[in-house]
Amino acid sequence: AQSVTQLGSHVSVSEGALVLLRCNYSSSVPPYLFWYVQYPNQGLQLLLKYTTGATLVKGINGFEAEFKKSETSFHLTKPSAHMSDAAEYFCAVTPSGGSYIPTFGRGTSLIVHP
Amino acid sequence: NAGVTQTPKFQVLKTGQSMTLQCAQDMNHNSMYWYRQDPGMGLRLIYYSASEGTTDKGEVPNGYNVSRLNKREFSLRLESAAPSQTSVYFCASSGDGGVSNQPQHFGDGTRLSIL
Repeated sequence: AQSVTQLGSHVSVSEGALVLLRCNYSSSVPPYLFWYVQYPNQGLQLLLKYTTGATLVKGINGFEAEFKKSETSFHLTKPSAHMSDAAEYFCAVTPSGGSYIPTFGRGTSLIVHP
Repeated sequence: NAGVTQTPKFQVLKTGQSMTLQCAQDMNHNSMYWYRQDPGMGLRLIYYSASEGTTDKGEVPNGYNVSRLNKREFSLRLESAAPSQTSVYFCASSGDGGVSNQPQHFGDGTRLSIL
């Protein structure tokens, strides 16, 4: 079984500041990892995913995440926050070669101050 | 491209009433899912369907039934609505066919209130 922990239910940053959203996972087999974003009154949209290969993954809207196996982490970053980045962010994991049903974290709400 | 379409977008029910939430996808995906989203709880899987003709229980199936009508459509039914079922319901699909590296595609949700 796998689990996902997102540290901090809310993260607040100023516009132009670095965004760092944390995700740690536990999995008995190598995982596939995903970040999704949810804007108000919308469904989740894929930001980026790690399956195999390069551990630094670039996604949409200037976001990227790095898979660190030794730290069992997949933190999401963006160098400079924009007001339009305010949303809920979810980390998800599925085990490679196993069940395709993802396990989602509880989400982190990103608040961007002008 | 429509992607995943959910109807209705909003619904208010009285306790004990029944209703069916509809979901359709136009991406030729094999797998479909129903989730509920509650504040502080993230997404919880209610039921899923790996392919046409199959359905399986997720984490919180009690009080719900599902039907995979065909490859495109996957409906969720509340037989006797209870206030605890007030939530936002999301349908999702993925083109995995059992491959776990495929992302899910979500509809915009149905906001359901039960009085």
